[in-house]
Amino acid sequence: QVQLQESGPGLVRPSETLSLTCTVSGGSISTYYWNWIRQPPGKGLEWVGYIRYSGSTKYNPSLKSRVTISVDTSKNEFSLKLTSVTAADTAVYYCARGNGLGAMAWDDHWGQGTLVTVAS
Amino acid sequence: DIQMTQSPSSLSASVGDRLTITCRASQNIGSYLNWYQQKSGKAPKLLIYSASSLQSGVPSRFSGSGSGTDFTLSIRSLQPEDFATYYCQQTYSFHTFGQGTKLE
Repeated sequence: QVQLQESGPGLVRPSETLSLTCTVSGGSISTYYWNWIRQPPGKGLEWVGYIRYSGSTKYNPSLKSRVTISVDTSKNEFSLKLTSVTAADTAVYYCARGNGLGAMAWDDHWGQGTLVTVAS
Repeated sequence: DIQMTQSPSSLSASVGDRLTITCRASQNIGSYLNWYQQKSGKAPKLLIYSASSLQSGVPSRFSGSGSGTDFTLSIRSLQPEDFATYYCQQTYSFHTFGQGTKLE
């Protein structure tokens, strides 16, 4: 059974870069696609972006200028970098496995999530 | 951008009820619509994909229907463990979630 685990700092200073890693176990990262999704406290879900094992990416247009998602197939992990963070980026960040083909896609395995707080 | 609007935002129900949650897309998204359940403090769980396909391991009391712009999630005979927040998600163009429906 595939499992995902997020890791990274729980506190980031304003204007700095948020960096998170998702480690995939129980399956290879060299297939499917791999998402980051976030949820501000008490609010709904917001898709951040995804990366395919090939390295191609797709980002939320509202975050595109600040987001980079990368994959390291040798470590079976993928990562998120979000630059110039503000308090509005405070959220629980989830990584999730994407399944399906093309636009026919769904997220069938999720990590437990990690809370990142942006504060000085 | 495609906007997803769920209704209602919250819903009071009782064990044994049958209920329906609606999700409307701002443009035609075909069947590129998924439903998730999220319990407090937990990650979302996939229930329905491609509008009407039941994810493996999900009880058959959950069902999804619709295409184009209007979609529904139905729960037949509500169970205590079903009280949660439900989200729809479109994947036709980028990925967008609805605002959620809290079942109380």
